[in-house]
Amino acid sequence: NAGVTQTPKFQVLKTGQSMTLQCAQDMNHNSMYWYRQDPGMGLRLIYYSASEGTTDKGEVPNGYNVSRLNKREFSLRLESAAPSQTSVYFCASSEFHLNTEAFFGQGTRLTVV
Amino acid sequence: SQQGEEDPQALSIQEGENATMNCSYKTSINNLQWYRQNSGRGLVHLILIRSNEREKHSGRLRVTLDTSKKSSSLLITASRAADTASYFCATDRGYSTLTFGKGTMLLVSP
Repeated sequence: NAGVTQTPKFQVLKTGQSMTLQCAQDMNHNSMYWYRQDPGMGLRLIYYSASEGTTDKGEVPNGYNVSRLNKREFSLRLESAAPSQTSVYFCASSEFHLNTEAFFGQGTRLTVV
Repeated sequence: SQQGEEDPQALSIQEGENATMNCSYKTSINNLQWYRQNSGRGLVHLILIRSNEREKHSGRLRVTLDTSKKSSSLLITASRAADTASYFCATDRGYSTLTFGKGTMLLVSP
């Protein structure tokens, strides 16, 4: 049982390049999330998908887009990477949007130079 | 913006001692959750306490919730070196996603 799997684990981008972070869960969860974690800032929600077919903005959505491809997969796209997007990105899932625990992936460490 | 704020920011203790971390929040909640993050890893859920509960135990963990003071505490008894990690509280307000605090870094020395 893999849980939440994120790819890639590490990535270096040049300013202006684009990339997609992939996330898949095998727990049949309805809700999925993308967070970024910066030193001293805790986790901040970028986008979430409460259920298949829906996506909503979180606290820091600017510069990102998401796609809920199916119930298992939720991708995060950076169209034109900026140094301010250097961060560790975590995908998470939960059975329901509220009142349930979240399960996290191992993270993607992204550096934009 | 962060709903929960942990205190202290960092805590250093010896193996065998108890570790207490606190979390304060601003608005009413449905439940409050505690997570652990080992260095370089994802967060792992520890315990969920609902707004109508005052105390909950899980192994060496004890969580309390005081909704009148809008605060929660996480107690780890008989700490081990393996408990070294960052600990986060997260609040579920019942209409929005989990909101995480900035965490407490716990160092347990052998």
